[in-house]
Amino acid sequence: KAGVTQTPRYLIKTRGQQVTLSCSPISGHRSVSWYQQTPGQGLQFLFEYFSETQRNKGNFPGRFSGRQFSNSRSEMNVSTLELGDSALYLCASSLEGLANEQFFGPGTRLTVL
Amino acid sequence: LAKTTQPISMDSYEGQEVNITCSHNNIATNDYITWYQQFPSQGPRFIIQGYKTKVTNEVASLFIPADRKSSTLSLPRVSLSDTAVYYCLVGDKGRGSTLGRLYFGRGTQLTVWP
Repeated sequence: KAGVTQTPRYLIKTRGQQVTLSCSPISGHRSVSWYQQTPGQGLQFLFEYFSETQRNKGNFPGRFSGRQFSNSRSEMNVSTLELGDSALYLCASSLEGLANEQFFGPGTRLTVL
Repeated sequence: LAKTTQPISMDSYEGQEVNITCSHNNIATNDYITWYQQFPSQGPRFIIQGYKTKVTNEVASLFIPADRKSSTLSLPRVSLSDTAVYYCLVGDKGRGSTLGRLYFGRGTQLTVWP
């Protein structure tokens, strides 16, 4: 069974731009969650989607948004990029939600210049 | 909403047992405790999950006292390949209009020496 895939793996943007990251969950998994990882703040939960609806949300500004498609694939968008948005963005999928074992993808390394 | 506190780093030698403790004083009745392992440049990997008392699987044990305000991940006979960051996570599922959140601890960097 294929694991969680994320595209692109690396991305370089400049301040003020926007970016869209993609995540394909493990087949059969309906929950997709997103995380931001930085050296200073560690691993922080962004949000979770289930059946195309945002079900849980962390403490991030509205510039961070996401969506989930009917095939459970998910995208995360960050608008008006700031230098502090440079991070590793991880996506995880699970069968039913945050209570289940999360399977993480390799992440997308975003650098904002 | 429960948050966690765990040591920033720990050192051990091959063959020793390692115990990493996580504090979660505000854990709620229906919260569960989960531990993940992360190697550099990889996403975290699930190790073990529990609600109370003791849980054991092929790689680790999780000890949770009766008050559930802390938990201890026990790694028996560690090897060099166990060098990684270990995250303690306490999460609720959220009900109705309450949004559940998944909080990771800051992680514990475990370094195993030969």
